[in-house]
Amino acid sequence: GESVGLHLPTLSVQEGDNSIINCAYSNSASDYFIWYKQESGKGPQFIIDIRSNMDKRQGQRVTVLLNKTVKHLSLQIAATQPGDSAVYFCAENSPNDYKLSFGAGTTVTVRA
Amino acid sequence: GAVVSQHPSRVICKSGTSVKIECRSLDFQATTMFWYRQFPKKSLMLMATSNEGSKATYEQGVEKDKFLINHASLTLSTLTVTSAHPEDSSFYICSARSRGTSSETQYFGPGTRLLVL
Repeated sequence: GESVGLHLPTLSVQEGDNSIINCAYSNSASDYFIWYKQESGKGPQFIIDIRSNMDKRQGQRVTVLLNKTVKHLSLQIAATQPGDSAVYFCAENSPNDYKLSFGAGTTVTVRA
Repeated sequence: GAVVSQHPSRVICKSGTSVKIECRSLDFQATTMFWYRQFPKKSLMLMATSNEGSKATYEQGVEKDKFLINHASLTLSTLTVTSAHPEDSSFYICSARSRGTSSETQYFGPGTRLLVL
């Protein structure tokens, strides 16, 4: 089965609110995690990444939190905009072969 | 930087024919490229890892004789779906890792939609 999974398959957010997308992973050896955004009919787009020696990393309007104790990853999007509507995938990196394992994805829909 | 392109973006073919999909890293050299397939409303499933100048390694359950992968240069990998059948219809996406870096980040192409009639 998948080693990375998401708690909720869909998330509906009011425009302007903050979004939180969660992800659980099972491989405690994973050392690198990435969040990708995929719009309909397009390839995944890199959003933000974090290494296992960190617990928080911030980008532009996005923050990734990593809790290694419970093997949990989250993506926070501030002031969600209509353009943020997409499917969001977390991915974990296998340290030996650089393969990525993807979670099931969360579909984020922004309400105007 | 780190742009990956795919060609074609969409292809429709008859059952039994072969289809070639190209994946190019436009502004960097990629020692490793990955091929994924994605069914509607599903996640990405890794098919194979393509290393420049060597044979591709396939994930369990992926037929290497059906999905031929060639990585002839540091900027180009091709996936050929041989004797395509309707069940091969899917969204095929490639990704690339940059050469000379320890970064595990994969940059993805825009995907190729394959429809086999």
